[in-house]
Amino acid sequence: GIQVEQSPPDLILQEGANSTLRCNFSDSVNNLQWFHQNPWGQLINLFYIPSGTKQNGRLSATTVATERYSLLYISSSQTTDSGVYFCAVVSGGGADGLTFGKGTHLIIQP
Amino acid sequence: DAGVTQSPTHLIKTRGQQVTLRCSPKSGHDTVSWYQQALGQGPQFIFQYYEEEERQRGNFPDRFSGHQFPNYSSELNVNALLLGDSALYLCASSRGLAKNIQYFGAGTRLSVL
Repeated sequence: GIQVEQSPPDLILQEGANSTLRCNFSDSVNNLQWFHQNPWGQLINLFYIPSGTKQNGRLSATTVATERYSLLYISSSQTTDSGVYFCAVVSGGGADGLTFGKGTHLIIQP
Repeated sequence: DAGVTQSPTHLIKTRGQQVTLRCSPKSGHDTVSWYQQALGQGPQFIFQYYEEEERQRGNFPDRFSGHQFPNYSSELNVNALLLGDSALYLCASSRGLAKNIQYFGAGTRLSVL
């Protein structure tokens, strides 16, 4: 099946810093979503972005489908940005379930 | 507009028992998918229901089964519980095919003792 790798696995930053999270995937995709998982386990949708670029406030994302990677940018980090960020994909020719990466654990220190 | 709702929020069972988890999809959605998330890992796809049938299945044994009702709500059943079944179980709903956006509920945290 499709493989999803996220980097870095852990990231510790000061409040106000910018960060870039990366997601590499091994096959073509029909669906790519970025999620933020809060400490209570809720997966919050950030972006649906199988290709192209989107922005939502301090967050933006870019997916280059031909090169099989996606980037999530967080600018001017706040302590509330802390948590685990997951990239998840549905492969172009495979099962309809999302395949998740192992996540990036982000800690924003005040 | 209610989002995806799951019940119960927490559950404690002993080895060998059976458990049923429930999910109501977001309004307007007809497809429900179930995921298992072990501690420190990303969620893993269990199966997906559409039109009251299991459409796709991940790498999970037959002890994991499900059902979808005419109102699109769904149940996940796990028989003969093992200690390794302790996890957060997440339900996601979408409209039609899973290439569409999936929205997740808050999950059911299952502990098997």
